[in-house]
Amino acid sequence: QVQLQESGPGLVKPSETLSLTCDVSGHSFSSGYYWGWIRQPPGKGLEWIGSIYYSGSTYYNPSLKSRVTISVDTSKNRFSLKLNSVTAADTAVYYCARAPYSGYNGVSAFDIWGQGTMVTVSS
Amino acid sequence: DIVMTQSPEFLAVSLGERATINCRSSQTVLSNSNNKNYFAWYQQKPRQPPKLLINWSSTRESGVPDRFSGSGSGTDFTLTISSLQAEDVAVYYCQQYYSTPWTFGQGTKVEIK
Repeated sequence: QVQLQESGPGLVKPSETLSLTCDVSGHSFSSGYYWGWIRQPPGKGLEWIGSIYYSGSTYYNPSLKSRVTISVDTSKNRFSLKLNSVTAADTAVYYCARAPYSGYNGVSAFDIWGQGTMVTVSS
Repeated sequence: DIVMTQSPEFLAVSLGERATINCRSSQTVLSNSNNKNYFAWYQQKPRQPPKLLINWSSTRESGVPDRFSGSGSGTDFTLTISSLQAEDVAVYYCQQYYSTPWTFGQGTKVEIK
């Protein structure tokens, strides 16, 4: 059974870098899946941040692209998010999730999600 | 960006009655190459992550009750709960994965009348 678990600081100061990790259990990184980050500000909707393939190729939301880096460590079965120059607007629950991928159909919807981790940006 | 617009924002339905949620995309999410709609529905209960209900606009995920069904193509889609149960109280989101940035609707909150 595949499980995803986010971890990282719950409080980040303005202008600093938010760093989160998603540990993947029950699955080895290989072809067939994109791994993504999605966030949800308190009481609001969902925003896709970006996704990465096991090979390291990435897609980012243009609205965040200048501040985001997503990386993968296949040896540790984890992928990570870095968001720099944070402001209060980056306060949100951050989710990691898996999206199946095939060469014929391309990417699919996010079928497995972590429980999410709340990150507050405040001094 | 493809903008996803859901309606209504709030929906109150009696137990056992039908609930219908609509979602419209600003551009088509139907692929000409494989005739698939790159469109999904999620359910989110309080303090839980979203759960994928429907993929490819109408394919129910394993374990999802058959009272949930998805329909539509191109730019207009519908999620139907045929007989609302108490455990269906949640916020429902649509999403397109046709082109990046992948985008979500603003959500529809479903409650018991």
